[in-house]
Amino acid sequence: AQKITQTQPGMFVQEKEAVTLDCTYDTSDQSYGLFWYKQPSSGEMIFLIYQGSYDEQNATEGRYSLNFQKARKSANLVISASQLGDSAMYFCAMREPYQTGANNLFFGTGTRLTVIP
Amino acid sequence: SAVISQKPSRDICQRGTSLTIQCQVDSQVTMMFWYRQQPGQSLTLIATANQGSEATYESGFVIDKFPISRPNLTFSTLTVSNMSPEDSSIYLCSVEDPGNSGSDEQYFGPGTRLTVT
Repeated sequence: AQKITQTQPGMFVQEKEAVTLDCTYDTSDQSYGLFWYKQPSSGEMIFLIYQGSYDEQNATEGRYSLNFQKARKSANLVISASQLGDSAMYFCAMREPYQTGANNLFFGTGTRLTVIP
Repeated sequence: SAVISQKPSRDICQRGTSLTIQCQVDSQVTMMFWYRQQPGQSLTLIATANQGSEATYESGFVIDKFPISRPNLTFSTLTVSNMSPEDSSIYLCSVEDPGNSGSDEQYFGPGTRLTVT
């Protein structure tokens, strides 16, 4: 079974609008971490935001926030006030340190976000 | 966050040859990870490299094909041996909690874009 599911291959958003990128995950661990990364066409993976499974507050980093719904096993990324530079691939990832014995990140298939001027 | 650099940033290689990719971090880290991203795909972990011990390889990756060195706490190399066109990918190194601040964040280097002809 897929550990991370991103059901939106592509998304469009108008500049200055907010957009939500969906991510659901599958784990039997109680302790895990959820990540979002941005990958522009240059190929680098840019860390955006992290949410620990025991964190009660939703993580926020500037214009990025993570809508963490533990019971639904979802960790959606919300980007507010979209900018043209936000156009990129976005990957959701999960780390299960105790399950795998190593801190491996499992990645989703990604969502390509295009910001329209 | 730490600064992670990789060399080379890109290369075009002939089949049957080998390429060594370097990853340098500006702070000491316990674990370094090597990932592969094939064209249009998500990231897959190749191996985990701890200083002073043999790298741990994931299923589908073997040491003869992807030998790894980890001579100290700030540096690692990944060699792609006897290359074939199927090895054309972006190779990324990654480190966890580079500032040893107790956070669980994980960062990636800028990647090495390899094309095998």
